Amino acid sequence: EVHLVESGGGLVQPGGSLRLSCAASGFIFSDYWMHWVRQVPGKGLMWVSRVKTDGGNTGYADSVKGRFIISRDNAQNTLFLQMDSLRVEDTAVYYCARGAGAVSRDWHLDLWGRGTLVTVSS
Amino acid sequence: DIVMTQSPDSLTVSLGERATINCKSSQSVLYSSNNKNYLAWYQQKAGQPPKMLIYWASTRESGVPDRFSGSGSGTDFTLTINSLQAEDVAVYYCQQYYTTPRTFGQGTKVEIK
Repeated sequence: EVHLVESGGGLVQPGGSLRLSCAASGFIFSDYWMHWVRQVPGKGLMWVSRVKTDGGNTGYADSVKGRFIISRDNAQNTLFLQMDSLRVEDTAVYYCARGAGAVSRDWHLDLWGRGTLVTVSS
Repeated sequence: DIVMTQSPDSLTVSLGERATINCKSSQSVLYSSNNKNYLAWYQQKAGQPPKMLIYWASTRESGVPDRFSGSGSGTDFTLTINSLQAEDVAVYYCQQYYTTPRTFGQGTKVEIK
């Protein structure tokens, strides 16, 4: 069965850093683009970032550009999100998601993890 | 960035009736080379992650009941839930995957009357 499991969330002070992980299983991780999407509790979904199959191509929402870095370890089937210079407004549940299509294609998000909560507060 | 706007923000429908949710994009998400609309719909139930429902504007994901249907092209799209069931109570989001940043609509909450 296919799974995505996020970890690494927690409470951090403004200006601090956190590294999220997403462990993938049940599919060939290296064949798929991967994404991070976040959701402030009680609010809507916001796309954060994506990374190509080989890690060589990345994209970010303007609100996180220059502060967050997405990466992946295909040998370990794991996706990462390094979050620096965190702000109160980064508080959210962070989901990892798989881009459907595989290899060179990155379409809708067909598989989601359950998310990990990041709270930025003093 | 492509702005996705859903209407209404919330919807109350009787069991067995039809629910209709609209999604409008600020620019076309129809890719002319393959004539596909890069538009997806997701369902999010309380306390759960989003779940893929429909992609290419009208293709149901495997396992999704056929009472869910998607239509539209270009900039205007619709998600229809025929014969609403209690388990359909959720927030529904449209999303464009035509370009980055991928953008979502604000969501439409569907409740039972």
